[in-house]
Amino acid sequence: SAVISQKPSRDICQRGTSLTIQCQVDSQVTMMFWYRQQPGQSLTLIATANQGSEATYESGFVIDKFPISRPNLTFSTLTVSNMSPEDSSIYLCSVEVYFGSVAGKNTEAFFGQGTRLTVV
Amino acid sequence: GIQVEQSPPDLILQEGANSTLRCNFSDSVNNLQWFHQNPWGQLINLFYIPSGTKQNGRLSATTVATERYSLLYISSSQTTDSGVYFCAARRDTGNQFYFGTGTSLTVIP
Repeated sequence: SAVISQKPSRDICQRGTSLTIQCQVDSQVTMMFWYRQQPGQSLTLIATANQGSEATYESGFVIDKFPISRPNLTFSTLTVSNMSPEDSSIYLCSVEVYFGSVAGKNTEAFFGQGTRLTVV
Repeated sequence: GIQVEQSPPDLILQEGANSTLRCNFSDSVNNLQWFHQNPWGQLINLFYIPSGTKQNGRLSATTVATERYSLLYISSSQTTDSGVYFCAARRDTGNQFYFGTGTSLTVIP
């Protein structure tokens, strides 16, 4: 398993400002994932962060709005820039842990506690 | 991507009742997981179950990969079981996880 510490757990921010969310994992992982969950909705992948390379963004998400850092194998940050009320969501980081005897085949996803962001 | 559909969308149970939640997915998968999201937003791992049956206390899950569905059974429900249950599926390692729309469960005393 993996223990993921995410902070802040919640914040209320003024529109036009930026918030940086931190995600710390208790073991080294190759990829870290950032998700958004809008109110009453399911989770949507924002981007995948690999250490030492640019993050890969999903359709509808851009680096200028959601810059990501991945300075080492246990840490990542997601910034929500120039916020508007539409950015009010829960943001979650996730990692995948390999297990089993078949290399690369068995992975289980684990999530941080989430950051509940409200933009006013 | 993979289409993941969950049913029912909402469920209200009396404490002590049993329930079955269903997850249908549109493609073959090598990873299927069930999560419980508590009222604070945290996603808690319940089962990693791309195929077969697993049990953990009052919860059990079965995935029939050839028919592309998974079931989550909750027996003797408790108020602490309330929250949203998500299933998520992925076709292959390194590919994106696709989440279902969730089942919102309310257990009343």
